[in-house]
Amino acid sequence: QVQLVQSGAEVRKPGASVKVSCKASGYTFSDYYIHWVRQAPGQGLEWMGWINPKSGGTKSAQRLQGRVTLTRDTSISTVSMELSRLRVGDTALYYCARRLTIFGVAIFDAFDIWGQGTMVTVSS
Amino acid sequence: SSELTQDPAMSVALGQRVKITCHGDSLSNSYASWYQQKPGQAPLLVMYGKNNRPSGIPDRFSGSRSGNTASLTITGAQAEDEADYYCNSRDNNSDHVVFGGGTKLTVL
Repeated sequence: QVQLVQSGAEVRKPGASVKVSCKASGYTFSDYYIHWVRQAPGQGLEWMGWINPKSGGTKSAQRLQGRVTLTRDTSISTVSMELSRLRVGDTALYYCARRLTIFGVAIFDAFDIWGQGTMVTVSS
Repeated sequence: SSELTQDPAMSVALGQRVKITCHGDSLSNSYASWYQQKPGQAPLLVMYGKNNRPSGIPDRFSGSRSGNTASLTITGAQAEDEADYYCNSRDNNSDHVVFGGGTKLTVL
């Protein structure tokens, strides 16, 4: 079935980096953009950015620019999100999500398949 | 970037109708998508575009837009509809996405 499976929980110290992976299965990997969304404990959803698995093109949220890197490896149908210079405020559940495409038409802001989430804890 | 504003909390009696709203400048030229999130679960897409439900979403969910406000309406709310609801849309004139702050819906 169509699914996104993310890597396991991570704990980092402030200033370090973390890389979270998201493996796609059950569909043609290169046909669907992947977005990243995070959710701090007890808080709402925050959009982080997207990657086009076909071209490798990316876009990231202004407030994270310079700290977030999105990559893909088409050979293993996996996208990754690396966040650098971590702060305590980056502690959150990080989700990857697939952008909905209907008959070849992409719905820009609709995310139909979500990963299970990866908890990243930043603590000294 | 623009913002999307939602009421933090709402309640509805079992079987009644509730309209959850999302307000923002980006909605003047973009439709919102809506997500339902229950505790410990990933968000679930329940509405997108003008008024489109993904497969498996009950028809008691409907969507609309008027001016800068998008709405998700649940007609005949069920106990299982108790959840957090988030809207999002394409940010104005950009390739970015913005989320609303979420509405916690309680079914009484």
